[in-house]
Amino acid sequence: DTGVSQNPRHKITKRGQNVTFRCDPISEHNRLYWYRQTLGQGPEFLTYFQNEAQLEKSRLLSDRFSAERPKGSFSTLEIQRTEQGDSAMYLCASSLGQGPFFGPGTRLTVL
Amino acid sequence: AQSVSQHNHHVILSEAASLELGCNYSYGGTVNLFWYVQYPGQHLQLLLKYFSGDPLVKGIKGFEAEFIKSKFSFNLRKPSVQWSDTAEYFCAVKTGSSNTGKLIFGQGTTLQVKP
Repeated sequence: DTGVSQNPRHKITKRGQNVTFRCDPISEHNRLYWYRQTLGQGPEFLTYFQNEAQLEKSRLLSDRFSAERPKGSFSTLEIQRTEQGDSAMYLCASSLGQGPFFGPGTRLTVL
Repeated sequence: AQSVSQHNHHVILSEAASLELGCNYSYGGTVNLFWYVQYPGQHLQLLLKYFSGDPLVKGIKGFEAEFIKSKFSFNLRKPSVQWSDTAEYFCAVKTGSSNTGKLIFGQGTTLQVKP
């Protein structure tokens, strides 16, 4: 499979715990995005990487959220001290500059 | 703020009916436009995109969309829908002011096609 992959696909956690998600983009894609999607809404942009550099962060991304792309390949998104409002689908996408391709997402449920 | 509006939240059609889903955006400059589809249990897939040139864009599975700059619209059409088109459809825009390529999405339209 040469698409974008994300792990885990589902994560259930208790409020206050930390969680980390991983995204493996399409191999030659230098652009990587994280989005968040809640029920009944379209995806909302969280952050953008070009190679290993994080070039843009949404105001939606509070201090509890951090993302990395250490070698310009895979990326991780960490949420510290999770809150119930963090429950959502977290989507990763990658591109070479036209029309990003999305992964299957990680569904986070915070109890 | 830049935004995308999809006026139809839930559309129900019978097979073979024609489809038009509305999409309007608020941005006065250069835009790139996209339609994505999400079939039940699957991830977002790119249906079609407009970057420049012919404003009538043809995508996969018989879908097309027309960019009308004066109306800030990019409506999705299909002459004859099939039961397998049941899905959620998202319109998205990349504005010329963004050099990151980030997309702004509409809230989506759920299409239900009855056999």
